[in-house]
Amino acid sequence: DTEVTQTPKHLVMGMTNKKSLKCEQHMGHRAMYWYKQKAKKPPELMFVYSYEKLSINESVPSRFSPECPNSSLLNLHLHALQPEDSALYLCASSQDRGGANVLTFGAGSRLTVL
Amino acid sequence: GQNIDQPTEMTATEGAIVQINCTYQTSGFNGLFWYQQHAGEAPTFLSYNVLDGLEEKGRFSSFLSRSKGYSYLLLKELQMKDSASYLCAVMDSNYQLIWGAGTKLIIKP
Repeated sequence: DTEVTQTPKHLVMGMTNKKSLKCEQHMGHRAMYWYKQKAKKPPELMFVYSYEKLSINESVPSRFSPECPNSSLLNLHLHALQPEDSALYLCASSQDRGGANVLTFGAGSRLTVL
Repeated sequence: GQNIDQPTEMTATEGAIVQINCTYQTSGFNGLFWYQQHAGEAPTFLSYNVLDGLEEKGRFSSFLSRSKGYSYLLLKELQMKDSASYLCAVMDSNYQLIWGAGTKLIIKP
C-alpha cells in the first residue's frame, strides 16, 4: 500500500460546527504532516508529527487541533472556523523527517466554511 | 529571509521541450524537490537533487547547481497530460520544506 488516504474528500461546514478530517497511511512512515493550500498557492505547513509526537506547529490558530492516535492515523479537528479557512487540506507522510525523505500526499479534503 | 523563485506561468507545444527554472536562497540546504500538481489534486513527487548535476528519469530531468542556488526541471516530448503546476521545494537546515509558488505549465496542441 503506497497511498495516503484522506476523508472526507469534500466538507461544507458552518462557522459553529465541529468536524474532523482524517488521514491514514500504511507505509510504515513515521512522519505525518498537515498542509493547507489555497488556490494557485503552494502548500502551507500547519503541523508535523514525528513518531506520533507533535514536532512542529506553525503558529496555527487553536480552532485547528491535530491528533495522532497511532503511527498510521492523523486527524485534524475543526471548530469555529472562519470563511477564510476554506481551502484544500492536504495530509502527507514520509519515512522520516529530513534529507531525502519524499513526501507522499493524500488527495486532499476540500473544505468550505460558510 | 528564505525565498524560492520560479516563473508563474509557461506555455509550450505538444511534443516540444520545456525548461522550468527555480532559484533559491535558504537557510542551509538539504536537497531540492520537484513536485507536479494537477488542478484540484495533490502534489506528486517528480525528483530530488542534493548533489550538483543532472538527474534523468524518463521524459523528466532535473538539474542542480548549489553554488548558484539554481535548479531546473526539463520536460521532453511534452504531452497534453503534462499541463499542471510544477512546484520547486528546498529542504533547509532545519529540515523544513520551503516551497516556491509553482509554475503553471500550459501545453498547446
